[in-house]
This record gives sequence, C-alpha cells and structure tokens, in this order.
Amino acid sequence: DTEVTQTPKHLVMGMTNKKSLKCEQHMGHRAMYWYKQKAKKPPELMFVYSYEKLSINESVPSRFSPECPNSSLLNLHLHALQPEDSALYLCASSWQGENTGELFFGEGSRLTVL
Amino acid sequence: QKEVEQNSGPLSVPEGAIASLNCTYSDRGSQSFFWYRQYSGKSPELIMFIYSNGDKEDGRFTAQLNKASQYVSLLIRDSQPSDSATYLCAVNRRNNDMRFGAGTRLTVKP
Repeated sequence: DTEVTQTPKHLVMGMTNKKSLKCEQHMGHRAMYWYKQKAKKPPELMFVYSYEKLSINESVPSRFSPECPNSSLLNLHLHALQPEDSALYLCASSWQGENTGELFFGEGSRLTVL
Repeated sequence: QKEVEQNSGPLSVPEGAIASLNCTYSDRGSQSFFWYRQYSGKSPELIMFIYSNGDKEDGRFTAQLNKASQYVSLLIRDSQPSDSATYLCAVNRRNNDMRFGAGTRLTVKP
C-alpha cells in the first residue's frame, strides 16, 4: 500500500471540462511534486511545492493549475486540456533538506482527454 | 545535452547473470542520486540511493557513484525474471529539483 494517495485513479474528460486531481500524504513530508508521464517515457517534472509554496514551475501551460492547501494535500486543477495532455499524472512527496530527495510516489491518476 | 542520460535498452540478461545499468548527468551541483524501478503501468519505486562517491550495496543491488565523471551505475547480481522492468536513474540537482533519465528497459530471461 502506498502512503501517497491519489484520486481519481482514472479520469476521462472533454476539452471543455474542468476537473481536479487530488493527492494526499501523511508522512510529514514538506515537499510535494506533480510529474507527468507519457507511455514509455520518464516522469517529467511539472511543479514542486516546498513548505506549501510553489518552488519549481517547469513552464507548464496555464491550463494546469496547482494548489497546495496544506502540507498534506496537493491538487492539480485541469481546464481546457488538449488530447496530448493524456498521460499518467504522478504525485510524490519527500523530506525537505539537503541530501534528501527520495520520492514517495502515489499510484498515479491516468488521464484521458477526448 | 540531456540533464540525465541512460541507454534506453532493451538490455537482456539471462537469469542469474549480472545486469549493469549506467547513467550520466550534466549538473555538477547535483547532490543525490537514485535508482527507481518501474513496472509497466505502475508508479516508480525506489531501489537504491547514493550520496557519496564509491559503492553502496544493498542485497543483490550495488550503486556506484563517481562525481568527477558525473556517472552513476546500478549492478543487479543474480538477476531474476522479477527484475524485468524499466530502471530510472534520478538526480536531485538541488532544492528538490529531481530529474529522471529516460530509463533502461531490462529483461531477465529464465
């Protein structure tokens, strides 16, 4: 069982829909991440929150909007997505500090945009 | 130049053999290094991490780091069919900026 919980596991949405992906961890980690992974490709970093503040934003299109309500929760709001945004979206968390960085991944949310 | 480079494979070894996976990185300021295993359709899981130059052993796995050469490797001894997966090299550049290589697909044949 993963200690990082993502919901929903599967999501199908149209290009005009608004939806959200949710992630929760209770390990006391202070860094949380969103990665996007296409088939047969490595995870690509989208956003990093550190102590609930956005610390890395990899020039992701504005149709993806992250939110970190508190240190345990991370959301990814989706609006006006394109079919090429279909992918596995992975949430992860880690300890904060130097010589750290082990990522604890959730099981992912598989998104299909029609 | 890619931030983290790996041979994509596929790498095929017979059961019981040693599998050797390699990775290079471009940012000399990188601080910590990780190997993740990912089965098809699943999320990555941590196999090994290494912070200092040299070797680190954990069971059948050995990670090697050479910061001067900007090189990380993973050796899997006594490879098993259950080791068949994609192995992702990940580098924490600084401040939780974790980047992944393209992954090496390993097949262990019985």
